[in-house]
Amino acid sequence: DAKTTQPTSMDCAEGRAANLPCNHSTISGNEYVYWYRQIHSQGPQYIIHGLKNNETNEMASLIITEDRKSSTLILPHATLRDTAVYYCIVSGRDDKIIFGKGTRLHILP
Amino acid sequence: DAGVIQSPRHEVTEMGQEVTLRCKPISGHNSLFWYRQTMMRGLELLIYFNNNVPIDDSGMPEDRFSAKMPNASFSTLKIQPSEPRDSAVYFCASSGGAGNTIYFGEGSWLTVV
Repeated sequence: DAKTTQPTSMDCAEGRAANLPCNHSTISGNEYVYWYRQIHSQGPQYIIHGLKNNETNEMASLIITEDRKSSTLILPHATLRDTAVYYCIVSGRDDKIIFGKGTRLHILP
Repeated sequence: DAGVIQSPRHEVTEMGQEVTLRCKPISGHNSLFWYRQTMMRGLELLIYFNNNVPIDDSGMPEDRFSAKMPNASFSTLKIQPSEPRDSAVYFCASSGGAGNTIYFGEGSWLTVV
């Protein structure tokens, strides 16, 4: 079973920052937070992952709370192409990646 | 890099027929995963291999499903006999090993009529 809780859906205006929350209150000390997204009819795509510190790459930023019980994925300037289902996954470094239901993000023109 | 390559992209078959889905992982990756996606059940992990050895097949639905990885560059997922409830998108994915990210193929869209 997925170890995370995400809102079912969210809307965001094009050009604004999209902030996607994820709760993972039972996360263990050696478990990472991964984010993937799935654009319609495509395979899931890796976005970013982190353990304790905030992370940033060319796609997004990941903010993890100090107690590690929740995190937020930030898409700084959302475009229509960011419309997708976003999955927050908690997994140990050597463990399998199990997908939950994710958040369906709609970017509005 | 060509990415994870799956074939066929689309297949329509009759109930009772054997279905074989194929996957070529990214060169150099040592872990391979098979997932299935349906509207009802979402994205499910069926089985994964590490260094060509099946590590966890607890997600394989039943004996009609089998997966093999004869070498580092090829894997198959076979359904025999197929049933309408097997209709789904089957994704293959690979990763470079522990802690590395997973890269997915474009999926094989299976319809069993």
